[in-house]
Amino acid sequence: NAGVTQTPKFQVLKTGQSMTLQCAQDMNHEYMSWYRQDPGMGLRLIHYSVGAGITDQGEVPNGYNVSRSTTEDFPLRLLSAAPSQTSVYFCASSPDFWNNEQFFGPGTRLTVL
Amino acid sequence: AQTVTQSQPEMSVQEAETVTLSCTYDTSESDYYLFWYKQPPSRQMILVIRQEAYKQQNATENRFSVNFQKAAKSFSLKISDSQLGDAAMYFCAYVRPGRSNYQLIWGAGTKLIIKP
Repeated sequence: NAGVTQTPKFQVLKTGQSMTLQCAQDMNHEYMSWYRQDPGMGLRLIHYSVGAGITDQGEVPNGYNVSRSTTEDFPLRLLSAAPSQTSVYFCASSPDFWNNEQFFGPGTRLTVL
Repeated sequence: AQTVTQSQPEMSVQEAETVTLSCTYDTSESDYYLFWYKQPPSRQMILVIRQEAYKQQNATENRFSVNFQKAAKSFSLKISDSQLGDAAMYFCAYVRPGRSNYQLIWGAGTKLIIKP
């Protein structure tokens, strides 16, 4: 089991560029989510999915899109990168929605110049 | 809205001693879950311990235990016999059950330093 994988590990973008952060899990988990982590703050939920074909917004969804066409994959798209999106992004998955452990990927450090 | 507060940005403890990290939360719900996660320098988030609000008994996992005070909305983490490998950021998190509006709310974290 690879668990939750994220690519890339590091990325530098220029303002206005778009890109997709990849997330995949091989544990057949229904629930997947994307968080951003900024210095001095806890994780903030961007988008989440409770199953293939179902996504919903979290606390800070503006500037990001997601889709869930398969159980395994949950990519996060930055439509037009802004310096405010400089952050570390984590993908997580869980077999259930609240009482089970969330399994995190290793994170992607994104810098927008 | 639910909030989670960790009032200690940084704590330090001597190796082998005991340290307690504090966490308070605000909610009007009666049924929820609370978690402590550890984030070492590798950035990998790791679950330390979880507590179900309807259970009065405090959760324990080896050297880690919690003091859950539901009425006071307090959820502190006690680490006994601190080890160098315990050095990390510790995050408290709250989740309210409900498939349609699932959201894990996180505190800002406490940096734990272990002195050898």
